[in-house]
Amino acid sequence: QSALTQPRSVSGSPGQSVTVSCTATSSDVRGYDYVSWYLHHPGKAPKLMIYDVNKRPSGVPDRFSGSKSGNTASLTISGLQADDEADYYCFSYVGDSYWVFGGGTKLTVL
Amino acid sequence: QVQLVQSGPEVKKPGASVKVSCRASGYTFTDYYIHWVRRTPGQGLEWMGWINPDTGGTNYAQNFQDWVLMTRDTSFSTAYMELNRLKSDDTAVYYCARIGRGKYFFEYWGQGTLVTVSS
Repeated sequence: QSALTQPRSVSGSPGQSVTVSCTATSSDVRGYDYVSWYLHHPGKAPKLMIYDVNKRPSGVPDRFSGSKSGNTASLTISGLQADDEADYYCFSYVGDSYWVFGGGTKLTVL
Repeated sequence: QVQLVQSGPEVKKPGASVKVSCRASGYTFTDYYIHWVRRTPGQGLEWMGWINPDTGGTNYAQNFQDWVLMTRDTSFSTAYMELNRLKSDDTAVYYCARIGRGKYFFEYWGQGTLVTVSS
């Protein structure tokens, strides 16, 4: 079964940059350009931060960027702010009308 | 504007079933698939599957294939997700969401429905 692996947690101080990785166990990410990233506060609807690997929806600050190398997609947040503290999930289309989420990463702003 | 409005919180006993609704407005209901996603304390976000409101066709994630049922009522522009044989692990917030045509990310989300499974 397809799986996307994320670190359980990352942390950084205000103003610093952090990167959240999303590594595919098979060909989920590699060869696909459909990885998206969501910020989620429990109890609220997830918020789209990045789509199609590196595109930013309107309204999302340019401090958020996405990239992909091999079988790993990454979300980088620069100029960390306290408001960025949340859970972040990668999400990918894996073919045959199936999709999968990564396990999620808790970002702590120190 | 596009809105997905879900039904209210539910409390169920283990072994029971729950049916969550998702009413769509602001667009043609049959033009876009509705997906269901849940957030559990232990597993994070999980993609459960989708329903094609036009045909009623469905596709379920492997983990849910034997105990989820997604249906729709086009007269009410409403999609439903029914989960059977509930366990305490199914305590979660359930979301409906829409992926745009030709796109591969969620554009719109429902507000979420808390389902609590407890004896």
